[in-house]
Amino acid sequence: AQTVTQSQPEMSVQEAETVTLSCTYDTSESDYYLFWYKQPPSRQMILVIRQEAYKQQNATENRFSVNFQKAAKSFSLKISDSQLGDAAMYFCAYRRGEGSYGKLTFGQGTILTVHP
Amino acid sequence: DAGVIQSPRHEVTEMGQEVTLRCKPISGHNSLFWYRQTMMRGLELLIYFNNNVPIDDSGMPEDRFSAKMPNASFSTLKIQPSEPRDSAVYFCASTSRVPDTQYFGPGTRLTVL
Repeated sequence: AQTVTQSQPEMSVQEAETVTLSCTYDTSESDYYLFWYKQPPSRQMILVIRQEAYKQQNATENRFSVNFQKAAKSFSLKISDSQLGDAAMYFCAYRRGEGSYGKLTFGQGTILTVHP
Repeated sequence: DAGVIQSPRHEVTEMGQEVTLRCKPISGHNSLFWYRQTMMRGLELLIYFNNNVPIDDSGMPEDRFSAKMPNASFSTLKIQPSEPRDSAVYFCASTSRVPDTQYFGPGTRLTVL
């Protein structure tokens, strides 16, 4: 079975600085997708970024980027120029390719605090 | 699109009462997921449907929990009878094959007294 591990229960960063959240996963599949979701205090789960395993290029969405290391099964999220609104719980998630019906396996989450 | 719609947003009930949570997935999405989130257990997948058919309900904690999807635009999660340990935030999410991303509703915060 696939597992997703986020080894940092909590992280903090100063406003305008850069922070990296770690995620590792275990799978024997070659076709899969990886996601980062953000859950602010409003508790809404918001997609931050996604990465297809077959793509070597790291995904980027504005201030958010990933470091996808397929051989190491690592998928970290880098937040640049951190803003107060980035404070939230961040979840890493894995999804198999074909035949999975879209089921996600989530990590335990990392609470990010942003200091002004 | 309006996104995934859940109702009610908040529910407070007494132990032993029946609770029904509702979800309307994004139009065109063919998979629907029910999750439960608590401080102790984190985010748990309860059940999911594909084309209105339940695929895996192994996450449903007890027989007190049941879920239905009578059509492509509506699903319910029912708890009968409810217990205080059922207090949690319940999320519904939906996805399609393309672009494979799962979108979440705003959640229902359930409190069982």
